[in-house]
Amino acid sequence: EPEVTQTPSHQVTQMGQEVILRCVPISNHLYFYWYRQILGQKVEFLVSFYNNEISEKSEIFDDQFSVERPDGSNFTLKIRSTKLEDSAMYFCASSEGALYNSPLHFGNGTRLTVT
Amino acid sequence: AQKITQTQPGMFVQEKEAVTLDCTYDTSDPSYGLFWYKQPSSGEMIFLIYQGSYDQQNATEGRYSLNFQKARKSANLVISASQLGDSAMYFCAMREDLNRDDKIIFGKGTRLHILP
Repeated sequence: EPEVTQTPSHQVTQMGQEVILRCVPISNHLYFYWYRQILGQKVEFLVSFYNNEISEKSEIFDDQFSVERPDGSNFTLKIRSTKLEDSAMYFCASSEGALYNSPLHFGNGTRLTVT
Repeated sequence: AQKITQTQPGMFVQEKEAVTLDCTYDTSDPSYGLFWYKQPSSGEMIFLIYQGSYDQQNATEGRYSLNFQKARKSANLVISASQLGDSAMYFCAMREDLNRDDKIIFGKGTRLHILP
């Protein structure tokens, strides 16, 4: 069964450094998302992306965050200057459609630790 | 106001028993979808089951079923004959049709522990 692939599975970085989290969505999916989950807490929406542009972003997704689909397969989340509070699990998800009956399929996540 | 409410932060259930995880939701959109995801301790998010707002019958997927009570705005997940591998965090989530690009909104989750 097709799946969403995220790399790396773990990333440790120093405060102030830039990180890029990578995702390969399911190939026929058109809608892409990033979510984050601070340890033991709720899964929070960051951003949705369709047709090569951001569809919606949350308050969390401030100027230090950016997303890109550099080619036909990859979808990346960049955090420009990481802060301690950015430590979390970051999930990429994709969906075939935007209708209410389309589930989001999630990758296995990237655990980001900022020291 | 919370759109998805899961009132059980944690549950302990004996192996082989059935378990019901509660979920209530709030929306004014007549078209919406309800989803359950499982998150094992390894961290991945696994899609389990879907129920659409217009579906007349409760959704079932193997040992998972969804007890959908539209008037009460509840969508409880029922796991029959629980197994040790069912120990995980379970999230109820909703997708509305108001905005065709709209995201899925998650509840806070219920941590399920299956006891041998």
